[in-house]
Amino acid sequence: DAKTTQPTSMDCAEGRAANLPCNHSTISGNEYVYWYRQIHSQGPQYIIHGLKNNETNEMASLIITEDRKSSTLILPHATLRDTAVYYCIAYGSSNTGKLIFGQGTTLQVKP
Amino acid sequence: NAGVTQTPKFQVLKTGQSMTLQCAQDMNHEYMSWYRQDPGMGLRLIHYSVGAGITDQGEVPNGYNVSRSTTEDFPLRLLSAAPSQTSVYFCASSYSGLAVTNEKLFFGSGTQLSVL
Repeated sequence: DAKTTQPTSMDCAEGRAANLPCNHSTISGNEYVYWYRQIHSQGPQYIIHGLKNNETNEMASLIITEDRKSSTLILPHATLRDTAVYYCIAYGSSNTGKLIFGQGTTLQVKP
Repeated sequence: NAGVTQTPKFQVLKTGQSMTLQCAQDMNHEYMSWYRQDPGMGLRLIHYSVGAGITDQGEVPNGYNVSRSTTEDFPLRLLSAAPSQTSVYFCASSYSGLAVTNEKLFFGSGTQLSVL
């Protein structure tokens, strides 16, 4: 399993873009990068995932470097409701069901 | 759709008591799993199942039992509760734990367990 490394915490001003980095230097070729977030004490929520191309959906954009050793989750216009813990996970077919969450990044969006 | 339903939402146990945390999903998902989350920490995988009749251990399986007799249900049993098992427990499901290309986990709202 590829291990991911994220900063413990980040701040972002409301209305600005939030850029959350993730390092996954040992990622293997069949492992996708997934992002989830957990607001307060709710169950985590899926955000986005990708293999090697950049991805965008209604919630966020995912930028994966060409060597796939790192990625950035972008929330284009952060709101106070985006304050949460964000988890970056590398997962592939070799994991066979073991989706392991790390410590994540606590994003605080400030007015 | 109810999604992933966990019961109870809150539970207080005494050391040594046993209990079962219930988890049910109505999305016909093959994959189900249990996580625990201690205060200020990330989620840790306890057990998971890739289909009825199939279960496997996660990161922290000791003290917990699971079984998967139906696709819909995945109960988590605490055999003899200990204070170290005080935590919030989350159940999750997805279409298939082995299908990488569309692996979205759906989580329940959690069970807060205190063991005195």
